[in-house]
Amino acid sequence: EPEVTQTPSHQVTQMGQEVILRCVPISNHLYFYWYRQILGQKVEFLVSFYNNEISEKSEIFDDQFSVERPDGSNFTLKIRSTKLEDSAMYFCASSPAHSGSYNEQFFGPGTRLTVL
Amino acid sequence: GEDVEQSLFLSVREGDSSVINCTYTDSSSTYLYWYKQEPGAGLQLLTYIFSNMDMKQDQRLTVLLNKKDKHLSLRIADTQTGDSAIYFCAESPPKATGTASKLTFGTGTRLQVTL
Repeated sequence: EPEVTQTPSHQVTQMGQEVILRCVPISNHLYFYWYRQILGQKVEFLVSFYNNEISEKSEIFDDQFSVERPDGSNFTLKIRSTKLEDSAMYFCASSPAHSGSYNEQFFGPGTRLTVL
Repeated sequence: GEDVEQSLFLSVREGDSSVINCTYTDSSSTYLYWYKQEPGAGLQLLTYIFSNMDMKQDQRLTVLLNKKDKHLSLRIADTQTGDSAIYFCAESPPKATGTASKLTFGTGTRLQVTL
């Protein structure tokens, strides 16, 4: 069964460093998302991406964040200068094209980012 | 903005029914979802309900929706130890074809199944 994959599973970085989190969405999906979950808190929406551009972003997704689909398969989240408060589990998700509002999103296993 | 709330913890005995509750604020929500998260794993969609439905049954899972009170529940019949996980309620607003739509998640309810 196709699934969303994410690498690495755990990333440790120093404050101020750049990190790139990678995701391979399900191959025929058209919509891509990043969410994050700070330990003990809710899963929060960061950004959605469709047709090679950002569809929507939350207030968390500031200028330090960017997303890219550099080729036909990968979907990346870059954090330019990491802060301690960026430590979280980052989930990538993808969904196929649906008519109407049904919006099943398939999630990857997550990348745990630890900023020291 | 949208908000989704759940109780944090539920403990049940194996074989009993579990009921996990959720409240939401966005009256324009069109679909409501239940996701399951096992340790170290991603979020797995269990079931969903469209906002014009009151109930949906899927094998051991029953979803009840009270749209007036903005209350959603997930009942798991004959709860097994393998059901131990965190359960997230989520909602999405109306989505036009060709646009992406975010999910707003609740805090998650940790279900512990004891023998």
